[in-house]
This record gives sequence, structure tokens and C-alpha cells, in this order.
Amino acid sequence: NAGVMQNPRHLVRRRGQEARLRCSPMKGHSHVYWYRQLPEEGLKFMVYLQKENIIDESGMPKERFSAEFPKEGPSILRIQQVVRGDSAAYFCASSPAMDTQYFGPGTRLTVL
Amino acid sequence: GESVGLHLPTLSVQEGDNSIINCAYSNSASDYFIWYKQESGKGPQFIIDIRSNMDKRQGQRVTVLLNKTVKHLSLQIAATQPGDSAVYFCAETPPGDKVIFGPGTSLSVIP
Repeated sequence: NAGVMQNPRHLVRRRGQEARLRCSPMKGHSHVYWYRQLPEEGLKFMVYLQKENIIDESGMPKERFSAEFPKEGPSILRIQQVVRGDSAAYFCASSPAMDTQYFGPGTRLTVL
Repeated sequence: GESVGLHLPTLSVQEGDNSIINCAYSNSASDYFIWYKQESGKGPQFIIDIRSNMDKRQGQRVTVLLNKTVKHLSLQIAATQPGDSAVYFCAETPPGDKVIFGPGTSLSVIP
């Protein structure tokens, strides 16, 4: 059973471009969570999704950020018009229910 | 909102000694707790969990202790090895709510 997969692992964007981060949950997991982590800091919750539904987006900026988890395919975290402050590691986690979350390897976004 | 906090942001331990990482949680209704280990450049990795109906759970070289009276959680690592160097996060889960992560403790093992 493959773990949580994220791609790309590293993403470089220039200011104003769009960043798309993908997350494929573990097989059988219908809950997906996105977190952001700055160097030497903890995990900051962004959004919690189930298939086709956003359950909790209280940690996600209201502008430029969006997330989806379609019926088919991976979950996508989309950042429009990136700024330097968006540079961070973005982790996805999945779970079969609202309990143990299993994390992917993360996508490290660098905005030039 | 309520959050999980850690007493020690950094911890240095001699190789072979036992490590104890502490965590205070705020929500007395939380009924499920998890410890994660995050190595440099990697995602958090599940180590061990414990439910609120237990006060101790043991894994391989790791033990988690839960004291609900004082809302305290600890992770004990026996015979600490260089490979144990990482950031350790505790997490609590209030019923029907999302997991809340603590700020993390950095463990450094001195060879």
C-alpha cells in the first residue's frame, strides 16, 4: 500500500505565477488535510477536505489560495499570483476517518 | 483557540541515554493523542498514539504516557540513537474536530 504521495517535491515559481501542488492520499483514505510549514517552525493547518467537499478551510488565506479534492484524481492546493511569503513546505496528510493522519513527503515551494 | 504546547523547544541528549519529550494539551475533551517525528527535509512520521482510556502505551523503544489530570503527554525514547535526532510533534484530537499540532521539540543526540 503506497503512502501519501505529493508532487512535485520541489517547485520554483516567480512572483505572480501560479503554483499547483498535488496530493494523492493513501488507498482507502477519503480525508485530506493540507499544512504549511516554515523553516524551524511547526505545522500550520490550512484546509481539510473530503471527496468533493471542503470541510474546514479556516486556516487558508481567503485570497489567492484554493483547494479541491475531486471525485477522481488527487487533491490540489492552488496558489495564484504567488509572493515571496508563500515560500514554505506544504504537507498533505490523509486519513480514513478523523483520526490518525499519515503525511506525504511535502512540496517545497520557492518563490523567486 | 485552544492549542497544544510543548515545555521544551530544544533538547540535547547523550547517545545511549533516555529522552523524555513533554507536551501540555489544553482541551480536556481530547480523546486521542499522537506523537510524530519529523526528520530534516521529510514529512512528519507517525510514531505512536494513545487513546484517553489508557495512561501508558509502549512501542519499540518508545513509550507514551498520558496524564489526564494535568493534561500532560510525554514521549520517552529509550537508549537514544543518532537516528532519533529530529523534531517531535505531539497532537491532540478533540472529539469530532480536527487534529491540533503542538509547536514541536527539536531533539539532538550527541554522539
